[in-house]
Amino acid sequence: SQTIHQWPATLVQPVGSPLSLECTVEGTSNPNLYWYRQAAGRGLQLLFYSVGIGQISSEVPQNLSASRPQDRQFILSSKKLLLSDSGFYLCAWSEGGTDTQYFGPGTRLTVL
Amino acid sequence: AQSVTQLGSHVSVSEGALVLLRCNYSSSVPPYLFWYVQYPNQGLQLLLKYTSAATLVKGINGFEAEFKKSETSFHLTKPSAHMRDAAEYFCAVSETGGFKTIFGAGTRLFVKA
Repeated sequence: SQTIHQWPATLVQPVGSPLSLECTVEGTSNPNLYWYRQAAGRGLQLLFYSVGIGQISSEVPQNLSASRPQDRQFILSSKKLLLSDSGFYLCAWSEGGTDTQYFGPGTRLTVL
Repeated sequence: AQSVTQLGSHVSVSEGALVLLRCNYSSSVPPYLFWYVQYPNQGLQLLLKYTSAATLVKGINGFEAEFKKSETSFHLTKPSAHMRDAAEYFCAVSETGGFKTIFGAGTRLFVKA
């Protein structure tokens, strides 16, 4: 069966520090991968999606970036965090664009 | 372009009462529609999915939703609420051939004893 992992589960970082969140999927090949951010009281904001290795589409201009170095690995990064980057970050995968998305447990990021 | 509107950011019901969470969508082609549930500090889980096979879709935990094309709606219902149903619910839409799913803003369901 398929499993999706995210780490870390929680993170507290100072403003201006770098960020690296990792997401890995097991049990499937060539999945579509997604990064979402969920700010307090707001819905899910799609940040990036990827349909293959090295193929990243950005939905929202910001100081975040994403990379997909391996088929089932998706990394969210920032060189310098802002206060507004605080939120709950969710990684998800699907077998196709219109298919059900399966979500990881999320990372709670607090920028101070 | 596709979009989703969830009516009501908060809904409160008594235990045993009917649950009705409203969702309207916009799509230029026949859509795929989803309801997801999120418990505190967890990821989202699929409740049910509409893919044009049947307009009434049954999901997990006793939930169901009915696709009404004329009303562009996909409301989520459950006949009798349980305390464990307290969570946030998201309606979502995707289009055939697309790579993205668009999520609504979410509705938080409160269940009173």
